[in-house]
Amino acid sequence: EAGVTQSPTHLIKTRGQQATLRCSPISGHTSVYWYQQALGLGLQFLLWYDEGEERNRGNFPPRFSGRQFPNYSSELNVNALELEDSALYLCASAAYYGYTFGSGTRLTVV
Amino acid sequence: TQLLEQSPQFLSIQEGENLTVYCNSSSVFSSLQWYRQEPGEGPVLLVTVVTGGEVKKLKRLTFQFGDARKDSSLHITAAQPGDTGLYLCAANFGNEKLTFGTGTRLTIIP
Repeated sequence: EAGVTQSPTHLIKTRGQQATLRCSPISGHTSVYWYQQALGLGLQFLLWYDEGEERNRGNFPPRFSGRQFPNYSSELNVNALELEDSALYLCASAAYYGYTFGSGTRLTVV
Repeated sequence: TQLLEQSPQFLSIQEGENLTVYCNSSSVFSSLQWYRQEPGEGPVLLVTVVTGGEVKKLKRLTFQFGDARKDSSLHITAAQPGDTGLYLCAANFGNEKLTFGTGTRLTIIP
């Protein structure tokens, strides 16, 4: 089965712009989790979508938002980009045994 | 806020040596997972432990879940350069999302 796919791989934006990141979970999985990983350290929980609804949200400002489409793919939007938003953004598809992550989108804000 | 602390944060050892990394929390978790992440990739699930006192082995890796369900350890025997990476523990505190630890960056020197 195909794994979790994320696009784009890299994204460079200017401070104040908006970024859109995309994720497709493993076929048949309905949950998508978004995490932010800064400086190659631990992952910070951003958002959880399941069956098209936002189920939980981490401690991030409202300019981080997203949605899940009927085919269970998901989009993460970051508005009014700030320099500290530069990070690896990871999407995961969840099963009973654990998460399967995509390779991430490296967002650089200049 | 539930926190997971990993130690050590950085570890550099010679090929063939043994090592142990630790994951600790002040709160009880229902299950715990270990992941390994290599540069430019998302974390990859190594193991899930759910029972207090549980020990699981994966080739040269031994995972232990503490009796009190507040800690876990990962022991690697005869480390090899291929073991190099960022090791992350992740716990489920009953709120349907994984909380990730701070990470241990392991370097095995040939």
